[in-house]
Amino acid sequence: AQTVTQSQPEMSVQEAETVTLSCTYDTSENNYYLFWYKQPPSRQMILVIRQEAYKQQNATENRFSVNFQKAAKSFSLKISDSQLGDTAMYFCAHLTSGSRLTFGEGTQLTVNP
Amino acid sequence: DTGVSQNPRHKITKRGQNVTFRCDPISEHNRLYWYRQTLGQGPEFLTYFQNEAQLEKSRLLSDRFSAERPKGSFSTLEIQRTEQGDSAMYLCAYTRASGGGSNEQFFGPGTRLTVL
Repeated sequence: AQTVTQSQPEMSVQEAETVTLSCTYDTSENNYYLFWYKQPPSRQMILVIRQEAYKQQNATENRFSVNFQKAAKSFSLKISDSQLGDTAMYFCAHLTSGSRLTFGEGTQLTVNP
Repeated sequence: DTGVSQNPRHKITKRGQNVTFRCDPISEHNRLYWYRQTLGQGPEFLTYFQNEAQLEKSRLLSDRFSAERPKGSFSTLEIQRTEQGDSAMYLCAYTRASGGGSNEQFFGPGTRLTVL
């Protein structure tokens, strides 16, 4: 069974600084996908970034980037130039093709002015 | 806007009552998923459909829960004889028909259920 672990229940960062959220996962599959989702206080889940396991290159989306270490089963999210609107719960999730998402427990990120 | 609506957005019911939630993806889609999220936790998978067919059900989905997706469009999730432990946010998600290779799931705003 797939498991996803986020070891940081809460984190805070000053506006304009950089923060990294950690995620580890366990799977026996070779082909899979990893995602970071953001859930602001309004609670709608929004996709932030995705990574295909077969791609060695780390995914980047504007201020968001990942550090994907397949052998270590690690998938961290780096947010650069943090903005107040980045305040949210962040979930790491794992997906095997065509199947369910398995989510971590979440990290509550607060960006302070 | 992720292209999926859920109704109602909030539901308060008394223990023992039946409730039904609806999920309406707007665009063409392939798979439709239901998840449950309790406060402070990540969503947990309940079930998913490919078109009309219900392909997988979680052990979380007890016999009091039933989901349908007639005609492969909208979906309903019914909970019979609700219990206080059913209080949670119920999230619907879908993958787009074009899919691509990423199987991204797009989430609706959820239905918040409170069982008194």
